[in-house]
Amino acid sequence: EVQLLESGGGLVQPGGSLRLSCTASGFTFNNRAMAWVRQTPGKGLECVSMINGGGGTTYYADSVKGRFTVSRDNSKNTLYLRMNSLRAEDTAIFYCATVAHGGDRFDYWGQGTLVTVSS
Amino acid sequence: EIVMTQSPATLSVSPGERATLSCRASQSVSSNLAWYQQKPGQAPRLLIYGASTRATGIPARFSGSGSGTEFTLTISSLQSEDFAVYYCQHYYNWPYTFGQGTKSEIK
Repeated sequence: EVQLLESGGGLVQPGGSLRLSCTASGFTFNNRAMAWVRQTPGKGLECVSMINGGGGTTYYADSVKGRFTVSRDNSKNTLYLRMNSLRAEDTAIFYCATVAHGGDRFDYWGQGTLVTVSS
Repeated sequence: EIVMTQSPATLSVSPGERATLSCRASQSVSSNLAWYQQKPGQAPRLLIYGASTRATGIPARFSGSGSGTEFTLTISSLQSEDFAVYYCQHYYNWPYTFGQGTKSEIK
């Protein structure tokens, strides 16, 4: 059974940093591209970032480019999202998801972790 | 960036009735289109991919159709557990984008 467990969310001040983690089990982690998706009541669902199975190819939404960094440690079956220079508009639930066929639909999702950016 | 537009925003349907949800892409995404279901407090769940292929474990009452820019999700006979929000998403090129969602509610 595929399981994805996000952690690392919380309350952070504007301009601050946070690192999210997503621990995976139930599949061969290094064979799967992975994605981060965030959800806000106002903007809905947004694909924030995606990384291929080897970690050498990454994609970012324009809204986070230069501030967020996606990475993975395949020896630990863990996906990361480092978030710097956080803004109020980054407040959201962040989900990690598996990506089918290297760049296709998001077939399994974690339960999400809430990030709140506020002073 | 490809813009995905869903209609209607809210769909009021009685249990047992048919529901038809629409999704339009601002440019062709071929068949690179997925549908997700989200219930309150839960993560989205993949229903349909490739515009018309049901994901593992999805009941046959869910079906998808379309290609290019016009897509449809049909629920043939709504069950109580189907009242939720439904999102379409393209994965034609980056950035992948979602529609704003259609909420199905009990009439």
